[in-house]
Parts: sequence; C-alpha cells; structure tokens
Amino acid sequence: QKEVEQDPGPLSVPEGAIVSLNCTYSNSAFQYFMWYRQYSRKGPELLMYTYSSGNKEDGRFTAQVDKSSKYISLFIRDSQPSDSATYLCAMSAGSNYQLIWGAGTKLIIKP
Amino acid sequence: EAGVAQSPRYKIIEKRQSVAFWCNPISGHATLYWYQQILGQGPKLLIQFQNNGVVDDSQLPKDRFSAERLKGVDSTLKIQPAKLEDSAVYLCASSLDRRGAFFGQGTRLTVV
Repeated sequence: QKEVEQDPGPLSVPEGAIVSLNCTYSNSAFQYFMWYRQYSRKGPELLMYTYSSGNKEDGRFTAQVDKSSKYISLFIRDSQPSDSATYLCAMSAGSNYQLIWGAGTKLIIKP
Repeated sequence: EAGVAQSPRYKIIEKRQSVAFWCNPISGHATLYWYQQILGQGPKLLIQFQNNGVVDDSQLPKDRFSAERLKGVDSTLKIQPAKLEDSAVYLCASSLDRRGAFFGQGTRLTVV
C-alpha cells in the first residue's frame, strides 16, 4: 500500500462547477499538507499549504485536512478551463523536509 | 524573486552516453531536491540536500546516477551511462521551510 493514495482520474467537469480533489494517507505523523498544480510540460506549482487539521481558503481554492480520517481535499469553486491540469498532493512529517507525493489527478474543465 | 532555474530544458542522448543537468535554487533555500517524473506519475525523489549535505538518496541508482551541491547553492545531477528507462522529466526543487517546495521547469530527457 502506498503512503499517499490519489485517484489518477481523469476527472471531467463543466465550467463553473465545484471540483473536489482528494488524497488519503496512511502515516499519522504527517503534519504538513500541500497541493500542487502541474500544467503539461511544466514543473509543479505550489497552490496551497496547510499545517495540521482545518481549512484554508485562497480565492477560489479551499484546502481541507481531516487528520482523524487521514484525508485531505482541495475544492475549486467556479472552475475555469484554465484550471485544467494535473493536481498533486504532497505531505510531510516535517522532521527532514521530505515530501511524500500522490500520483496526481488529471482535471479537465469543459467550456 | 527569481525562481528555480534548470538547464537544459530538453536533451536527447543515445543509451550508454552520459548527461548532466544543472539547477540553481531560489536564493537562501537550504533544501534542494532532485526528482524524476515519468508521464502520469507523481515525482519520485532521487536525492535531497540540506545545504551541502545529503539528507536522502535512498532511491538514487548510485551505479549510474550521481549528484553534488557545491557550496550549498547550485547542484548538478549526472547520469552515466544512460539507459532507455531513464527517459523522464528531471525536476529540481528548493525549499526554505516546511511550507512547500518550489520547482523549476524541468529537463525532459529522451534516451534513444
């Protein structure tokens, strides 16, 4: 079993819909949780960072962490075609800055 | 603030040849990572530096891959000799703290 599980998709939704992307993990020591967006032929771009449990909002993006369920989510409101990309979750226990990655979910927003 | 710089962007080599990639991290970032990413997969850590020292190189194929970080700033990753299965994107990233790493554009390597 991988430490971090993420559905590869693709997830296809119409423009304007609310998108929910998720990761589950097995290591209860993880405390730092990140979401990255990766466009084709580009490096991953840090979108959101959350420490421990709770929610964090940044514009149309909301990151949610539920440590009791070992489950993290990224919500995108009013989705746009420009949001079409692969979304990767990453997490860290923090002791040595090592990041453990999900495989990424390919998101397609249809105009 | 300048981002992580990587070169070259693309490289095509024949199997058994050698290749080197260069990375200049964001100024002041002590942690530097080299990742290998195969299409459709998440990044796989090859090596992680903290300043000059190696924190983790457990997944680096040491019989053919080597990496160094001189003076705790720039880093090079070398493959010698290359195999077909080394075809991938090689990503360099750096971080200042635990709030995430910042990536360069990557080097797309094709081994033929």
